[in-house]
Amino acid sequence: GENVEQHPSTLSVQEGDSAVIKCTYSDSASNYFPWYKQELGKGPQLIIDIRSNVGEKKDQRIAVTLNKTAKHFSLHITETQPEDSAVYFCARAGNMLTFGGGTRLMVKP
Amino acid sequence: GAVVSQHPSRVICKSGTSVKIECRSLDFQATTMFWYRQFPKKSLMLMATSNEGSKATYEQGVEKDKFLINHASLTLSTLTVTSAHPEDSSFYICSALGAGTRDTQYFGPGTRLTVL
Repeated sequence: GENVEQHPSTLSVQEGDSAVIKCTYSDSASNYFPWYKQELGKGPQLIIDIRSNVGEKKDQRIAVTLNKTAKHFSLHITETQPEDSAVYFCARAGNMLTFGGGTRLMVKP
Repeated sequence: GAVVSQHPSRVICKSGTSVKIECRSLDFQATTMFWYRQFPKKSLMLMATSNEGSKATYEQGVEKDKFLINHASLTLSTLTVTSAHPEDSSFYICSALGAGTRDTQYFGPGTRLTVL
C-alpha cells in the first residue's frame, strides 16, 4: 500500500534535549519526503524536505535522514525549544502527498 | 515566497446553508491545488485535487455534489460546502503546487467551519 507510518504519536522532551521522529513507507517509487510543522489552529508549514538522491539534509537545528533501501526517514531536532512544540507530519510524494499520522511534540521548559 | 492564503479563517453557519472557502496562491501560479479535511488530533485527509481549468478529481468517499470545487484561475480555487450539516464541521486546508515549486506543496492557514 501507500501508507506512511509515523512514530511516536506523542513525544515529550526537556528543553535543550533532542527529539527524533521516524517514518516508514512502502511505495518504493517515492522520491520526495517533506516534513511539516503544524501549530494549533494553523495550516502545516514546510520545515525541511529531502529527495531520494541524498541521504541527509540539515538546516540549523533540524535535520532529516533518508534510508531508501530500508524505506524509512527521520526528523531530528537538536537543542529543542518550547516554540518547537507542535504537531509534526512526515509525508511522501507520489502522485499526491501521503501523510503520516503525526507526532505531537511537547518541549518542557 | 510560496505563500498560500485562505478566506475566511473561521466561519459559523446554520445547517442547510452553503459556505464558500477561497484558496489563493499569492506569489506563484498554482497549476494544481489540493483540498484537505482535518479532524481534531488527526492527520490531513485529501478530499480532492483540482487542476486549473478542469474538473476536480475527488477521493473515494468524498461527495462531489456536496463539496463543489472550482479552480478558475492559476491563483484561485474555491471549495463550496453545499447544504452544510453539523457533521461537515471541520478544519479545511488547501495547498498549492506550482510549476516553479516542483513537487513541494505549500499549505494555506486553514478554515475552521462550524455548522450549527
